[in-house]
Amino acid sequence: KNQVEQSPQSLIILEGKNCTLQCNYTVSPFSNLRWYKQDTGRGPVSLTIMTFSENTKSNGRYTATLDADTKQSSLHITASQLSDSASYICVVSGGPNTGFQKLVFGTGTRLLVSP
Amino acid sequence: DVKVTQSSRYLVKRTGEKVFLECVQDMDHENMFWYRQDPGLGLRLIYFSYDVKMKEKGDIPEGYSVSREKKERFSLILESASTNQTSMYLCASSLLLSGTSGGYEQYFGPGTRLTVT
Repeated sequence: KNQVEQSPQSLIILEGKNCTLQCNYTVSPFSNLRWYKQDTGRGPVSLTIMTFSENTKSNGRYTATLDADTKQSSLHITASQLSDSASYICVVSGGPNTGFQKLVFGTGTRLLVSP
Repeated sequence: DVKVTQSSRYLVKRTGEKVFLECVQDMDHENMFWYRQDPGLGLRLIYFSYDVKMKEKGDIPEGYSVSREKKERFSLILESASTNQTSMYLCASSLLLSGTSGGYEQYFGPGTRLTVT
């Protein structure tokens, strides 16, 4: 069964600290993996997209890594800010490389950055 | 910037009512999607459309229908709302990524929080 599991479920860190969120998946065949940020009451916004051949990608203070062999990804947030408080959702795209691809969503990690 | 808008941020309806959720995108995207999001379950695909008047069932289409009469607009219809349809509904539209191994970037609207009483 195609699944995406994220850990931890929730996390509280102090402003300025770093943190790492984890994502394990069993989606096959694999096409790409995305991390989304979702503020409370808002729609998800894309942070990064990585294909099979990419093992790291950065977007400002966010750095995503991908190990396609172990089917694991992480999202590292550096020097956290209060505005980083949100849910972070890992999404894996599976299926053929052309046409419609099914997205499998994780349930997210809820991050709270405390002053 | 891609913009996906949804007609309402919050909606309260009674059981048995017919409910329309509207979504509009302004980037000429071919694909549009409706998801619902519930705590602990992640986003689940209800329906999607890859062209005008075309629709495909997602993972949880029961109790829902959709309409795509114009390319920029995708409507979700609850024919007879029930309490178990209380949820956050998210619309998305997609762009085909270029220079990658395929796939598409999905852009989400702000969501409609529907409460059925």
